Amino acid sequence: EAQVTQNPRYLITVTGKKLTVTCSQNMNHEYMSWYRQDPGLGLRQIYYSMNVEVTDKGDVPEGYKVSRKEKRNFPLILESPSPNQTSLYFCASSFFPGPDPYEQYFGPGTRLTVT
Amino acid sequence: AQKVTQAQTEISVVEKEDVTLDCVYETRDTTYYLFWYKQPPSGELVFLIRRNSFDEQNEISGRYSWNFQKSTSSFNFTITASQVVDSAVYFCALSEAKNGGATNKLIFGTGTLLAVQP
Repeated sequence: EAQVTQNPRYLITVTGKKLTVTCSQNMNHEYMSWYRQDPGLGLRQIYYSMNVEVTDKGDVPEGYKVSRKEKRNFPLILESPSPNQTSLYFCASSFFPGPDPYEQYFGPGTRLTVT
Repeated sequence: AQKVTQAQTEISVVEKEDVTLDCVYETRDTTYYLFWYKQPPSGELVFLIRRNSFDEQNEISGRYSWNFQKSTSSFNFTITASQVVDSAVYFCALSEAKNGGATNKLIFGTGTLLAVQP
């Protein structure tokens, strides 16, 4: 089954404790990205990657890091989480944009609470 | 800059009523794509439709229909004979273009919470 998986699905942590949210897709997609969803703000892109070892900032990258060492994985790293990073996080993947933007497949979401 | 506005924060209807969710977008690009996603209470995002800027034909899929009007920069979504299972947050989104080419970055609206009462 084609899917995007994220782990963990729920996480409560404390300020400053490094954490990683994993994202994996089994569709051989080149493009992967992370979004955060906040009430009243919709979803905003954090980082994206167009292929292995190619990453770039989205609209809200501060406080986050990513890496793309393998095509299927795109982990999101919070080196020193703060309460304003409490949010619902989505990973998404798709084929590399040619002339058209392809449909994006979203993971199930990770609800993160930083106290 | 590209922007998507969903002015309706919450809508409540009674089952079997028709309901229209509004979406207004801003872009300077001549080529762009519009999307609708559904987010049920379980939290996942479900893709509903993608439309490109050259295709203004309305689309119908079962009880769902979409009205795309470039003249008013709107891409509205209508649910006919709503059901309780339609209760969800609905997001309209616009694909960002950069340097004349499409990208896969989505610019989301703030969403409309639809509550369908039995």
